Amino acid sequence: EAGVAQSPRYKIIEKRQSVAFWCNPISGHATLYWYQQILGQGPKLLIQFQNNGVVDDSQLPKDRFSAERLKGVDSTLKIQPAKLEDSAVYLCASSLNRVMNTEAFFGQGTRLTVV
Amino acid sequence: AQSVTQPDIHITVSEGASLELRCNYSYGATPYLFWYVQSPGQGLQLLLKYFSGDTLVQGIKGFEAEFKRSQSSFNLRKPSVHWSDAAEYFCAVTNTDKLIFGTGTRLQVFP
Repeated sequence: EAGVAQSPRYKIIEKRQSVAFWCNPISGHATLYWYQQILGQGPKLLIQFQNNGVVDDSQLPKDRFSAERLKGVDSTLKIQPAKLEDSAVYLCASSLNRVMNTEAFFGQGTRLTVV
Repeated sequence: AQSVTQPDIHITVSEGASLELRCNYSYGATPYLFWYVQSPGQGLQLLLKYFSGDTLVQGIKGFEAEFKRSQSSFNLRKPSVHWSDAAEYFCAVTNTDKLIFGTGTRLQVFP
């Protein structure tokens, strides 16, 4: 079974530029999550989708971050404009549904460096 | 507010030695509890989880964890560590779908 796919693996941009990350969840998984993991910290949830609807985006900096999940499958996360403090690993995860007795599977992440 | 504390930032053990990684949580109700492992350059992999029932849970790779309600703890243990266990370990809690992670414990294993 294919896992959660993310691209690119690495990205270096200058501050004030824009960047986009892509995630393809496990087939059939209704729930998709984007997490931000800053060096030395645990992952922090940015946004959660259930199919193509947003369930929780309370910690998404909406002035610069946006995310969408068209057709309830793939998802993109965009940052515009980027700041130095956005340097982090962005992890995508998916789970079968919202019930917490299902497992969330994580992708390898995209490491973003803002210079 | 809900929180997870992993008091040990970095732990070093010898191969074959026993291991215990600490996790304490602050939650209004009994949460769901998880341990994840992250190897360098990899995503997080679930080791084990506790929802209810037996407070000692078994996971993959020979790991186990014990839920102690009185101490608000969910410590991870392994009787004999292998060099391949070197990684970052995260404790996480939730009672919805929003996982709240601790800051992680980096495990280093010496031969």
